[in-house]
Amino acid sequence: AQSVSQHNHHVILSEAASLELGCNYSYGGTVNLFWYVQYPGQHLQLLLKYFSGDPLVKGIKGFEAEFIKSKFSFNLRKPSVQWSDTAEYFCAVRNNTGKLIFGQGTTLQVKP
Amino acid sequence: NAGVTQTPKFQVLKTGQSMTLQCAQDMNHNSMYWYRQDPGMGLRLIYYSASEGTTDKGEVPNGYNVSRLNKREFSLRLESAAPSQTSVYFCASSEARTGNTEAFFGQGTRLTVV
Repeated sequence: AQSVSQHNHHVILSEAASLELGCNYSYGGTVNLFWYVQYPGQHLQLLLKYFSGDPLVKGIKGFEAEFIKSKFSFNLRKPSVQWSDTAEYFCAVRNNTGKLIFGQGTTLQVKP
Repeated sequence: NAGVTQTPKFQVLKTGQSMTLQCAQDMNHNSMYWYRQDPGMGLRLIYYSASEGTTDKGEVPNGYNVSRLNKREFSLRLESAAPSQTSVYFCASSEARTGNTEAFFGQGTRLTVV
């Protein structure tokens, strides 16, 4: 069965620190990969997505992610976080039937 | 442009009551989804509809039914609500089931079953 695992459940960083959130998935076929962000009290918004081509994708607000097919991973990175990045982050994987599965989420708290 | 609209935004039910959560999208999307969000468990897929006229079970379908009424609307029904169904429910839609299309989310419905 398709599944998504996010390694870090709660991350606390100081402003200007670098961020890396891990995401691994289990599905042997072609997948589309996503990172979404949920700010407090709001719905999910897309940060970035990968469909094909360059495995390093850039999204909004300075976020990027790297798809490593051999490791079934799609880790999210940001060189320097800001207080406004405090939110919950979700990795998601969609297979070729359209089934879109999310990971458990990572809560990021950035201290000013 | 409304995007994905969910109604109601808040609801309190008694155990055993039934209700339908409504979802409509105005983006002419083919695929639609229902999720529940619980603390520490992320979003779990309840049902999805890859295209009009089709529905499929997700990760946690028990206790729920869905209807893809037309291309715009995808409703979620709780026939006999249980406290374990207390959650925030999100509807989403996507232009297609694959390809360079992402899912867009509604604002959510906060459901409490007492």
